Amino acid sequence: DVLLVESGGRSVQPGMSLRLSCSASGFTFANYGMNWVRQAPGKGLRWVAHVSASGDRTFHADSVKGRFTISRDNAKNAIFLQLTSLTAEDTAVYFCAKNLGGSNSSPFDVWGQGTPVTVSS
Amino acid sequence: SYELTQPPSVSVAPGQTATVTCGGTDIGKKNVHWYQQRPGQAPVLVIHYDTDRPSGIPERFSGSNSGNTATLSIRGVEAGDEADYYCQVWDRSSGHGVFGGGTKLTVL
Repeated sequence: DVLLVESGGRSVQPGMSLRLSCSASGFTFANYGMNWVRQAPGKGLRWVAHVSASGDRTFHADSVKGRFTISRDNAKNAIFLQLTSLTAEDTAVYFCAKNLGGSNSSPFDVWGQGTPVTVSS
Repeated sequence: SYELTQPPSVSVAPGQTATVTCGGTDIGKKNVHWYQQRPGQAPVLVIHYDTDRPSGIPERFSGSNSGNTATLSIRGVEAGDEADYYCQVWDRSSGHGVFGGGTKLTVL
């Protein structure tokens, strides 16, 4: 079965940093683009970042550019999201999502269950 | 930045057809994808590339896209279809993924 499992979410204070991980299994990981999508409590889905299949191209939402960094390790079948300078507005469940194909414009066909991040003093 | 507009809520009686719209400038020129999210669960892809159903999605789900509006239709609505529905595109000009604000479907 195709599976994505996120980890690393926890409660932190404003200004702190955090690293989220997403472990993939059940498919040829290096062939697919990957994404992070977040959902604040009671709010809608917001795309956060994309990394290409090879890892050579990344894209980040304006709201996180310069603070968050997406990366991947194809040898470990995993993607990561480094979060820095966290604020209360970053409080959300963070989902890992796989692109259907190699293109960044292809849909998100597999999702993890999400990992919660809470930023509060 | 590109924006997608969805109605906050849609209500429909069981057995009827639910229609969820997604508005955006020249959205007909983009590939639109639709996701269903039940409370406390991860989203599920129900329509991709405007009209295509992924494997396992009932034929009751269909999509269309033209001009400035994309539409998700659910024929013969069931209680189990009650969920939030999101449209999504990739905006090539900004290199960003974009989601609509979501529509809560209530089955009366």
